Amino acid sequence: ETGVTQSPTHLIKTRGQQVTLRCSSQSGHNTVSWYQQALGQGPQFIFQYYREEENGRGNFPPRFSGLQFPNYSSELNVNALELDDSALYLCASSLPPRKNEQFFGPGTRLTVL
Amino acid sequence: AQSVTQLDSHVSVSEGTPVLLRCNYSSSYSPSLFWYVQHPNKGLQLLLKYTSAATLVKGINGFEAEFKKSETSFHLTKPSAHMSDAAEYFCVVFTYNNNDMRFGAGTRLTVKP
Repeated sequence: ETGVTQSPTHLIKTRGQQVTLRCSSQSGHNTVSWYQQALGQGPQFIFQYYREEENGRGNFPPRFSGLQFPNYSSELNVNALELDDSALYLCASSLPPRKNEQFFGPGTRLTVL
Repeated sequence: AQSVTQLDSHVSVSEGTPVLLRCNYSSSYSPSLFWYVQHPNKGLQLLLKYTSAATLVKGINGFEAEFKKSETSFHLTKPSAHMSDAAEYFCVVFTYNNNDMRFGAGTRLTVKP
């Protein structure tokens, strides 16, 4: 069984640029959630995708957007990067009805200069 | 609104002594509660979960947690700490209305030899 994988592991961007982060869900899991973890803080929920549609969203602006593909992999896109977007971005997959049992990937460390 | 409060940002214990990591929750209905562990440069790992079955929940690596509704608490315990337990621990509540996992701020556990 393959776990959740994310790419890239590290990324450096400058303010105003756009970034795309990628996530492959655990085998058979059709639900993907994204989280932002700022340094020294707990992860914060960005949004969740289920069957290629957004299925819940946290308190993040519209410049944070996502996609889910037919193979259940997912992308997180962030436009107009700001310095405060520097964080570890975590992806988690789950399989309803156990949608609250989430398995996390290792994360992508984004640095915005 | 659902939320969790981790009462200690840092806990230090000696190897072989008991561990207690405290978490209080706020929920308007019966919550789903979790403890996750995050080792440096590793993804989040599920330790245990409470979903309205037995109030004493056993998890991996000898950890357990007790759900106390009267005290709105879900404290994590382990009888004997091991050096490998040193990590960041997060208490989490799941909100069914938007599929949001709400993380606490985390407790850093240090284990001294």
